[in-house]
Amino acid sequence: KQEVTQIPAALSVPEGENLVLNCSFTDSAIYNLQWFRQDPGKGLTSLLLIQSSQREQTSGRLNASLDKSSGRSTLYIAASQPGDSATYLCARGGDAGNNRKLIWGLGTSLGVNP
Amino acid sequence: GAVVSQHPSWVICKSGTSVKIECRSLDFQATTMFWYRQFPKQSLMLMATSNEGSKATYEQGVEKDKFLINHASLTLSTLTVTSAHPEDSSFYICSATLAGGPDEQYFGPGTRLTVT
Repeated sequence: KQEVTQIPAALSVPEGENLVLNCSFTDSAIYNLQWFRQDPGKGLTSLLLIQSSQREQTSGRLNASLDKSSGRSTLYIAASQPGDSATYLCARGGDAGNNRKLIWGLGTSLGVNP
Repeated sequence: GAVVSQHPSWVICKSGTSVKIECRSLDFQATTMFWYRQFPKQSLMLMATSNEGSKATYEQGVEKDKFLINHASLTLSTLTVTSAHPEDSSFYICSATLAGGPDEQYFGPGTRLTVT
């Protein structure tokens, strides 16, 4: 069974701290790995997409890495801000017969305190 | 670019009635759209994959006669919850991928359905 696990489930940090969110997945034959942000009661915002042939992607203060051999991805947030407070979801892409199907983790709820 | 809208953003309906939710790609053509539902404190659950002009592919356990999906054009997919019951109350989110583009999914803002 394909599963995606995110640790920690919740995290609270003071403003300015650098932090790492973890995502692990079974089955290394993934198509891609995506990180999303969800604000309460809202839809999802795509943050970073890493193709299976890539090792990392960067966007502003965000950096996501992918290690297929160990079944892990990390999302690094530099110099956290209160506006970063949200739930962060990772999803692995790729399923037999449907490369675009996403398997989701439960998310990490992040609170950044001013 | 790559904006997806949903309408309505929230809806309250009585048990036994049907509700239609629209998902539109505003500035791109989407050959594939996905419908998800999300319960409180839980992650997204894929309900079905919808390709323009063809029948939707439903995930195991999702009743196709209850959740009717129509993807009549490259910019519009609809989800109709038929004979809604309180247990259908949930947050429904759609996503779309660009025709001929990368696999990144662009998500709508979601629709909160409450069935009384």
